[in-house]
Amino acid sequence: DAKTTQPNSMESNEEEPVHLPCNHSTISGTDYIHWYRQLPSQGPEYVIHGLTSNVNNRMASLAIAEDRKSSTLILHRATLRDAAVYYCINGGGADGLTFGKGTHLIIQP
Amino acid sequence: NAGVTQTPKFQVLKTGQSMTLQCAQDMNHEYMSWYRQDPGMGLRLIHYSVGAGITDQGEVPNGYNVSRSTTEDFPLRLLSAAPSQTSVYFCASSYSTGAEYGYTFGSGTRLTVV
Repeated sequence: DAKTTQPNSMESNEEEPVHLPCNHSTISGTDYIHWYRQLPSQGPEYVIHGLTSNVNNRMASLAIAEDRKSSTLILHRATLRDAAVYYCINGGGADGLTFGKGTHLIIQP
Repeated sequence: NAGVTQTPKFQVLKTGQSMTLQCAQDMNHEYMSWYRQDPGMGLRLIHYSVGAGITDQGEVPNGYNVSRSTTEDFPLRLLSAAPSQTSVYFCASSYSTGAEYGYTFGSGTRLTVV
């Protein structure tokens, strides 16, 4: 998997949008961009993934730069339950997902 | 739909003991894998399987064995537990090996080796 770079932590207020950035300058043309999150004492939870086009689902939106060297996970209206570590991962496939340390998202009430 | 089920949730072993961590999924996923997560770290891949009867090593396979006799089950065996294997273990599955599908993770097994 290609390496990704994320901020160690971010803080946001409840009911406001959150934009979580990720840089993946060495991404290959066939690598998908995956986002997972991990709440305390739980397993990682799938959030969203995409290849080239922006993606939306009930949890979040994924905005992918045109050159694919960066992406942004957008939580449209943060709640306290969104406080978690968010992992941005490129690739996947048979050799699995390579997790970095992710971004620790803090939500203030 | 239970998803990925891991048992036990907690386990304490003495050094040298062996045990099996169980993982079962009911989504008919072909791909299954085991990760370990040490404090403050990301997950690291131990072993994976792309289908029944097929397994391969991941990043940190030493001290662990796996087998895949059915599509549903993918047990992880610790041959002779060591304190360095104290960790939280997660099982994950996916529809196929392709990165176009997301992964479903279990809730984890917290293992302490004393």
